[in-house]
Amino acid sequence: GDSVTQTEGLVTLTEGLPVMLNCTYQTIYSNPFLFWYVHYLNESPRLLLKSSTDNKRTEHQGFHATLHKSSSSFHLQKSSAQLSDSALYYCALSGTGNTRKLIFGLGTTLQVQP
Amino acid sequence: DMKVTQMPRYLIKRMGENVLLECGQDMSHETMYWYRQDPGLGLQLIYISYDVDSNSEGDIPKGYRVSRKKREHFSLILDSAKTNQTSVYFCASSWTGGFAEQFFGPGTRLTVL
Repeated sequence: GDSVTQTEGLVTLTEGLPVMLNCTYQTIYSNPFLFWYVHYLNESPRLLLKSSTDNKRTEHQGFHATLHKSSSSFHLQKSSAQLSDSALYYCALSGTGNTRKLIFGLGTTLQVQP
Repeated sequence: DMKVTQMPRYLIKRMGENVLLECGQDMSHETMYWYRQDPGLGLQLIYISYDVDSNSEGDIPKGYRVSRKKREHFSLILDSAKTNQTSVYFCASSWTGGFAEQFFGPGTRLTVL
């Protein structure tokens, strides 16, 4: 079945350093949709960015990701981490059958330190 | 104002008691979801509703049931709550289509003693 694998657990960075959170997926569907959701403490999870186009960079709020179907990856990147980026990040897949179900990864907590 | 609401926000119940979690949305979305979030386990889908009275099990439906009698309202029911159902529960809604954004509510923190 469909699955998503993310960088596990906690990633701790110093402010100003680049961010890269890994996401790889498995699906037999040839046209998957990939998403990054962000969950800030005491807020609702919300969409950060999404893509279904191979090799096209998608950007939002300083973050960017590129869907690479050849490697089944959709890594989240930012050039310079800010304290306010500290949050729980989920990679998610809408794949086989387009059932409106999202398959979420286990989540990666990003902690940015001064 | 596009919003998903959840009530209550915090709830403490004893094992064996019944629990009702309510979710509302004002966007006329056809599809609604119930998830639970546990540390290290991510967001797990409990139930999905495609429209009124059109509900389908998610990945972890055991111990839960749902009700959707109006498009804007989706309830999660725990009959005889168990301690392992202590969690944070999120409701979400979306338009039809696999590429549609899911809008999440603020969550309900449920503790079952």
